[in-house]
Amino acid sequence: QVQLQQSGAELAKPGSSVKISCKASGYTFTSYYISWIKQTTGQGLEYIGYINTGSGGTNYNEKFKGKATLTVDKSSSTAFMQLSSLTPDDSAVYYCAREGYGGPFDYWGQGVMVTVSS
Amino acid sequence: DIQMTQSPASLSASLGETVTIECRASEDIYNGLAWYQQKPGKSPQLLIYNANSLHTGVPSRFSGSGSGTQYSLKINSLQSEDVASYFCQQYYDYPPTFGAGTKLELK
Repeated sequence: QVQLQQSGAELAKPGSSVKISCKASGYTFTSYYISWIKQTTGQGLEYIGYINTGSGGTNYNEKFKGKATLTVDKSSSTAFMQLSSLTPDDSAVYYCAREGYGGPFDYWGQGVMVTVSS
Repeated sequence: DIQMTQSPASLSASLGETVTIECRASEDIYNGLAWYQQKPGKSPQLLIYNANSLHTGVPSRFSGSGSGTQYSLKINSLQSEDVASYFCQQYYDYPPTFGAGTKLELK
């Protein structure tokens, strides 16, 4: 069965960076994009961007350019998202999700809570 | 970006009742519309895609309809396990955008 297993919760200081992982199993990893979505109580669900798991190409929502960096390791079927220059506004739950080339997000990871606090 | 306006924000219904949630796009999204269910502390789960296609394993009491800018999710014969938040999302245009959600509770 399709599974996306994300890394654990992160507590980070303002100005620092965190790197979240998303390990896929149960399907051919390079046949689907991996997208990343931010969820907060105030802003709801926000799309960050996607990575083409075959080519490594990326596309970011304008709002998250410079904030998020997406990478992939095909050998381990794992996608990564690094968030840099963290501020309290980056505190949220971050999800990875499988995307079928501009289609819906048909499977989601369990989410990673990132808390930014001094 | 395409704005997705979802209503109502919250909804209280009885077991066995039929409920409908609406979603309006700021422009035509040509059926590029998905519905998700999210239970507390869990990740969103895909229910409906392409406005009216049921995702694998989703009970048939869920259905989607609509076209153009207006879409709806209907839940027939509400069950206790349907208590959750529901979100619409358009994927016709980049970036994908989500509605603010509807919280469904039992009356």
